Amino acid sequence: EPEVTQTPSHQVTQMGQEVILRCVPISNHLYFYWYRQILGQKVEFLVSFYNNEISEKSEIFDDQFSVERPDGSNFTLKIRSTKLEDSAMYFCASSLDGKLFFGSGTQLSVL
Amino acid sequence: DQQVKQNSPSLSVQEGRISILNCDYTNSMFDYFLWYKKYPAEGPTFLISISSIKDKNEDGRFTVFLNKSAKHLSLHIVPSQPGDSAVYFCAAKESGSARQLTFGSGTQLTVLP
Repeated sequence: EPEVTQTPSHQVTQMGQEVILRCVPISNHLYFYWYRQILGQKVEFLVSFYNNEISEKSEIFDDQFSVERPDGSNFTLKIRSTKLEDSAMYFCASSLDGKLFFGSGTQLSVL
Repeated sequence: DQQVKQNSPSLSVQEGRISILNCDYTNSMFDYFLWYKKYPAEGPTFLISISSIKDKNEDGRFTVFLNKSAKHLSLHIVPSQPGDSAVYFCAAKESGSARQLTFGSGTQLTVLP
């Protein structure tokens, strides 16, 4: 069964460093998303991406965040200068018809 | 701004009995609702969905009920099995919103053998 894959599963970084989280969505899906879950809190929407551009973003998705689909398969989330409060599990998701399918997440720890 | 609320953070049920997980929403523009299950260290897994034109959708042991007037939905699992123990998230969306989901805070279901 097709699945969304995310790498790495864990990422540790120093505050102020740049990180790139990578995702390979399901191949025939058209909509791509990043969500995050801070420990003990709810899953929060960050950004949605369709037709090679951002379609919606939340207030969390500020200028430090960017997304890119550099080729036909990868979908990346970049955080330019990480802050302690960026520590969370980041989930990539893709969708064709409204049902989102999630990857297993990248645990980002900012020290 | 809690547009989707799951007021019970946890629920324990005996194996074989019914589990009922509840969800309330405030945004009347939401017209598509989904339930996801999440195990530790894994991403949410889609379980079942319902659109606002229906009031019930069933898939095996899982049934979702939607009460639009009360802005309430529930997930029934019967019979409950120990493998159902997980966090269950309710999610909702508006059809015209580029398909992003708003999640509830989740309910930890524990099915006791």
